[in-house]
Amino acid sequence: GNSVTQMEGPVTLSEEAFLTINCTYTATGYPSLFWYVQYPGEGLQLLLKATKADDKGSNKGFEATYRKETTSFHLEKGSVQVSDSAVYFCALSPLDDYKLSFGAGTTVTVRA
Amino acid sequence: KAGVTQTPRYLIKTRGQQVTLSCSPISGHRSVSWYQQTPGQGLQFLFEYFSETQRNKGNFPGRFSGRQFSNSRSEMNVSTLELGDSALYLCASSLGGQGSNQPQHFGDGTRLSIL
Repeated sequence: GNSVTQMEGPVTLSEEAFLTINCTYTATGYPSLFWYVQYPGEGLQLLLKATKADDKGSNKGFEATYRKETTSFHLEKGSVQVSDSAVYFCALSPLDDYKLSFGAGTTVTVRA
Repeated sequence: KAGVTQTPRYLIKTRGQQVTLSCSPISGHRSVSWYQQTPGQGLQFLFEYFSETQRNKGNFPGRFSGRQFSNSRSEMNVSTLELGDSALYLCASSLGGQGSNQPQHFGDGTRLSIL
């Protein structure tokens, strides 16, 4: 079946530090990969996506590259801000499967 | 453009009751999916509808059901509520056509508490 494994954290960083959240997946075929972010009391917001091998998704300073050879989609940001404090979810969706399979989520806290 | 709207935001019910949650997708989106979020199990897929037809279903008991209307709005019903049904229920919408993998856009959820 399809599954996503991501580092669970929590992760605590100082402002302007480098952030990496590891995500690996198991899936048949060529799924699309996503990172979502959830702020307290809110739903999930799409952060970035990649639909095929070697695609790089990027948004708001965050980046992730679809690596088929290592079945990974690690999230990175070069300089975090306090406003980046949230829970981050890695997810996959096989083509025409019509559902997202999520990782457990990683709580990130950025201190000023 | 308005986002995904879920109502109500909060609900308190007792064991044995039933509940209906509502979701209005982004205008033009024809696919609506439902997810349950709990601290223990994380985010789990319930079901997905497109043009009033259920295309995929997760591993939940038959007490959980849904439907979609011709205007793409969707409702989710849970009957005979149990304490373990306490969760944040999230609705997501996407364009949903076959052969594409459009990202899903989420609402803020309905927080259901069972007493």
